[in-house]
Amino acid sequence: AQSVTQLDSHVSVSEGTPVLLRCNYSSSYSPSLFWYVQHPNKGLQLLLKYTSAATLVKGINGFEAEFKKSETSFHLTKPSAHMSDAAEYFCVVSYTGGFKTIFGAGTRLFVKA
Amino acid sequence: NAGVTQTPKFQVLKTGQSMTLQCAQDMNHNSMYWYRQDPGMGLRLIYYSASEGTTDKGEVPNGYNVSRLNKREFSLRLESAAPSQTSVYFCASSGTSGSTDTQYFGPGTRLTVL
Repeated sequence: AQSVTQLDSHVSVSEGTPVLLRCNYSSSYSPSLFWYVQHPNKGLQLLLKYTSAATLVKGINGFEAEFKKSETSFHLTKPSAHMSDAAEYFCVVSYTGGFKTIFGAGTRLFVKA
Repeated sequence: NAGVTQTPKFQVLKTGQSMTLQCAQDMNHNSMYWYRQDPGMGLRLIYYSASEGTTDKGEVPNGYNVSRLNKREFSLRLESAAPSQTSVYFCASSGTSGSTDTQYFGPGTRLTVL
C-alpha cells in the first residue's frame, strides 16, 4: 500500500540553526513528492515538489529537499531557521495516473529565539 | 484573484443535522478535492472530482456526498452529522487532471458536531 511517514511529530530548533524534517515514502516507480506548510489556522501552501527532474529541489523561503530513491526518502532542510518558519509541515506523495494523494501525519516545527 | 474560497469558516451542528460546505475556485482548474484534517493524522481525502461532471470516492467517503456543480464549484454535504465528523475540512484544486500537479488549498471550514 502507498504510504508516507514523517519520522518526527515535533522538531524544535533555535533561530539561525539548521532545520531537518524527515520523510520516507513507500516505493513506487514514479512518485511525485511534495512538501506543504500550514501556518496556524490557515490553509496549506506548497513549499516545493519533486516530479522526476533534478533530485535536489529548491523551494520557497530557502527550503530545499533531496529525493533519494535508494533510501525512499525526501527530507526537507533549511540552513538557517527563522521565527516565521514555525508552522506544521506535511510531506505528500502521489503517483502518476492517479488522483489520490497521501499525506504524512505532519511535523510541527518550533523555532526558539 | 481569490484562489480557492470556502464557506462557512465555522459551523456548529447537532447530531443528525445536515449541512453543505461550499467551495469555489477561480483558477480555471479541472480537478477539485475535499479533505478532512484531524489531529495527528494529516489530511485524508474524502472525495475528488477529476473534471467537471465526474466525482469519485477517496479514502474516507462514508457519511458524505459531493456535487461538482460546474467547473468552479464543488460542494460537500453531510446528510446526518455525527460527532465523528468533527474536523477541519479543506477544499483544494489543481490545474491538470491528476494529483501529481500542485494543489491549491482553501482556508478551511472548522466543523463541530455536538
